[in-house]
Amino acid sequence: QKEVEQNSGPLSVPEGAIASLNCTYSDRGSQSFFWYRQYSGKSPELIMSIYSNGDKEDGRFTAQLNKASQYVSLLIRDSQPSDSATYLCAVTGNYGQNFVFGPGTRLSVLP
Amino acid sequence: DVKVTQSSRYLVKRTGEKVFLECVQDMDHENMFWYRQDPGLGLRLIYFSYDVKMKEKGDIPEGYSVSREKKERFSLILESASTNQTSMYLCASSLLTAGNQPQHFGDGTRLSIL
Repeated sequence: QKEVEQNSGPLSVPEGAIASLNCTYSDRGSQSFFWYRQYSGKSPELIMSIYSNGDKEDGRFTAQLNKASQYVSLLIRDSQPSDSATYLCAVTGNYGQNFVFGPGTRLSVLP
Repeated sequence: DVKVTQSSRYLVKRTGEKVFLECVQDMDHENMFWYRQDPGLGLRLIYFSYDVKMKEKGDIPEGYSVSREKKERFSLILESASTNQTSMYLCASSLLTAGNQPQHFGDGTRLSIL
């Protein structure tokens, strides 16, 4: 059974701080990694994808991947109250068919 | 931009009714998925399809069936709705390539079974 684990939170950070969200996965053959943001009552929205070891930056977001440790993280710099949401980590192997979502981490950014 | 459209945002049905949830995507994606999402349980995969007329069971297929007669459309059917099927239903689609494309979601259907 492929598993993706995340701390459920809530993770509370003050406005302007760095929020760090973590995800571990069990399938060593996993190839692609995604972060989704989900606001309450809404559907998940893709915010980052990462395929190779190292860091990938997009605006205030940085995804970090370490395949040897089976670990992927998302950093949000200069956190804003509008970043308050649940963040889902997703992992897949080849051809996108074994797509596994983590349970999500709820982030609260306090003004 | 990928557009995944679910036919209803909110739906109220009665126990025992046959319920159809429709999903259409406009990006010629091969893969389509149906999930349900409940508080504290995360996203759970009901069924997925990687081609027309093809379907695979997910983690919780009991009480559901699906239909994929055209590439762009994937329907979820509740054969005889029960109250424990009250949930948020999410449709998603993705490309079938070795590049491992992400899933893109529709807005969801919040289904209440009375």
